[in-house]
Amino acid sequence: QVQLVQSGAEVKKPGASVKVSCKASGYTFTSYGISWVRQAPGQGLEWMGWISAYNGNTNYAQKLQGRVTMTTDTSTSTAYMELRSLRSDDTAVYYCARDILPLAAAGDSFDYWGQGTLVTVSS
Amino acid sequence: QSALTQPASVSGSPGQSITISCTGTSSDVGGYNYVSWYQQHPGKAPKLMIYDVSNRPSGVSNRFSGSKSGNTASLTISGLQAEDEADYYCSSYTSSVVFGGGTKLTVL
Repeated sequence: QVQLVQSGAEVKKPGASVKVSCKASGYTFTSYGISWVRQAPGQGLEWMGWISAYNGNTNYAQKLQGRVTMTTDTSTSTAYMELRSLRSDDTAVYYCARDILPLAAAGDSFDYWGQGTLVTVSS
Repeated sequence: QSALTQPASVSGSPGQSITISCTGTSSDVGGYNYVSWYQQHPGKAPKLMIYDVSNRPSGVSNRFSGSKSGNTASLTISGLQAEDEADYYCSSYTSSVVFGGGTKLTVL
């Protein structure tokens, strides 16, 4: 069965960086893109960006351009999201999510989600 | 890209039908058939209920249906059940994904 298992909770100071991992299993990793979506406490969903596990192409939310980097390691079927220059308003649960359609040119719908990783930014 | 507009809350009694709206613009909802709906229970990851306006993923109950007219998409849940009580989010894709603000569904 398809599973996305994310790394554990993190506490970071303002200005630091965080890197969250998302290990996929149960499907051919390179056939599907991965998006990252975050949710601040008590707030709605915010799309952060997408990466093709097939060719590494990325598409980042304009708001996060320059602060976020998404990568994949096909040898371990793992996707990563790194966010730099952390601020208090980056405190959120971060989710990875798989495209519903294989080999999509960009991610628009997500059928499997990781369990979420809480990132807390506090001095 | 601005967030899509959803009502903050809707409610219904068991067995009834409810509809949640999601309003965007001709640049997102109205311009493309890339509208999705997600259900989220407290403390859980979102679950895809509808994609590409009206398609149901495998395993999703046929009580859930989606449609679109102009710049507004809709999610209809028929035969409301207690377990349908959750937050619902719409999303649309153009060159990036934008979510609605979410709607809290209460089953009375």
